[in-house]
Amino acid sequence: GAGVSQTPSNKVTEKGKYVELRCDPISGHTALYWYRQSLGQGPEFLIYFQGTGAADDSGLPNDRFFAVRPEGSVSTLKIQRTERGDSAVYLCASSLQSGGVSYNEQFFGPGTRLTVL
Amino acid sequence: KNQVEQSPQSLIILEGKNCTLQCNYTVSPFSNLRWYKQDTGRGPVSLTIMTFSENTKSNGRYTATLDADTKQSSLHITASQLSDSASYICVVTSGFGGYNKLIFGAGTRLAVHP
Repeated sequence: GAGVSQTPSNKVTEKGKYVELRCDPISGHTALYWYRQSLGQGPEFLIYFQGTGAADDSGLPNDRFFAVRPEGSVSTLKIQRTERGDSAVYLCASSLQSGGVSYNEQFFGPGTRLTVL
Repeated sequence: KNQVEQSPQSLIILEGKNCTLQCNYTVSPFSNLRWYKQDTGRGPVSLTIMTFSENTKSNGRYTATLDADTKQSSLHITASQLSDSASYICVVTSGFGGYNKLIFGAGTRLAVHP
């Protein structure tokens, strides 16, 4: 079956603009995660959804970042008033479930490379 | 503070040679440890996963070890191939209130040369 997909693969925007990044998880996966990966670093947790609700958004750096998952499947990460420091690869992952089953593997998408000029 | 540290930061080896990557962690509570391979421009892909009670796990030419007492793990790659060139990321899962958060190392960038 299809894996996690993310669109766009690349996004170039100007400082101050608004961007939306989309994630399509594996069908049936109830848990969805967003990560940010800077060059030469490991992924950094942003937010975790269980179904439609954000169960943990402690990784969002500030209130310019927001994510939704209205129907419990596709998720959109939204960044307002982008800054040059927001430039990174934004990774999405999904898993069958989370909570109580630590063995559940997260499957990652290819990421969206965001460049803020 | 939960941390995962990896060494070396980068490594160059010749095709056919073996190599070992290191991972030290200070994560509590500990659930499991995974090694991921991340090709350039791709998302990470899981290679191995080990729980507290497991000392070693193999996946083809990849063998991971875990010493839960010293909080160290290693990933050994045998008979390296050009396709092994990638970043290898050590990830520790921390159980917290029924939800398990992944804590990533910065990765080791491996280059296999012919």
